[in-house]
Amino acid sequence: SQTIHQWPATLVQPVGSPLSLECTVEGTSNPNLYWYRQAAGRGLQLLFYSVGIGQISSEVPQNLSASRPQDRQFILSSKKLLLSDSGFYLCAWRFSAGANVLTFGAGSRLTVL
Amino acid sequence: GDSVTQMEGPVTLSEEAFLTINCTYTATGYPSLFWYVQYPGEGLQLLLKATKADDKGSNKGFEATYRKETTSFHLEKGSVQVSDSAVYFCALSDNAGNMLTFGGGTRLMVKP
Repeated sequence: SQTIHQWPATLVQPVGSPLSLECTVEGTSNPNLYWYRQAAGRGLQLLFYSVGIGQISSEVPQNLSASRPQDRQFILSSKKLLLSDSGFYLCAWRFSAGANVLTFGAGSRLTVL
Repeated sequence: GDSVTQMEGPVTLSEEAFLTINCTYTATGYPSLFWYVQYPGEGLQLLLKATKADDKGSNKGFEATYRKETTSFHLEKGSVQVSDSAVYFCALSDNAGNMLTFGGGTRLMVKP
């Protein structure tokens, strides 16, 4: 069976510091991978998605970037965090073909002070 | 582009009350429709889905019917429990299936 892992679960960072959130999927090959952000009291915003190694699509221009260095690894980064980057970040995956159901990780809560 | 609109919350109900959370969508073609649930401090979990018009998705006593004529996918449950307290997200998948578009979420609070 497939599992998805995200870490760290919680993170408190000062403004201007860098960020790295990591997500890995086990038990499948060539998944589609996604990063969503959920700001406090708001819905989900798609930030990036990837259909293969090195292939990143950005949905919203922002202070963040994503990379996919390996097939089942998806990293969300920032060089300098802003207060507005605070939120709950969710990684998700789906099979590249067939069923279009997204499976989410447990999330990473980022607080920028 | 595609969009999903949900009723704003919070929705507060007493235990065993009937639940309806409205969801309407705008999309080209024939999207798939989903309801996800997010319990406090957790990620999202798929609750149910429907892939074509008139399909009914159901799970854990919740159900929703894909109504193409009204572009709706309302979530219902006949008798809610305290454990159903969570945030519920309606979503649609584009025809290529690469992206899910989510509604803003509706917080449900069930009181004993």
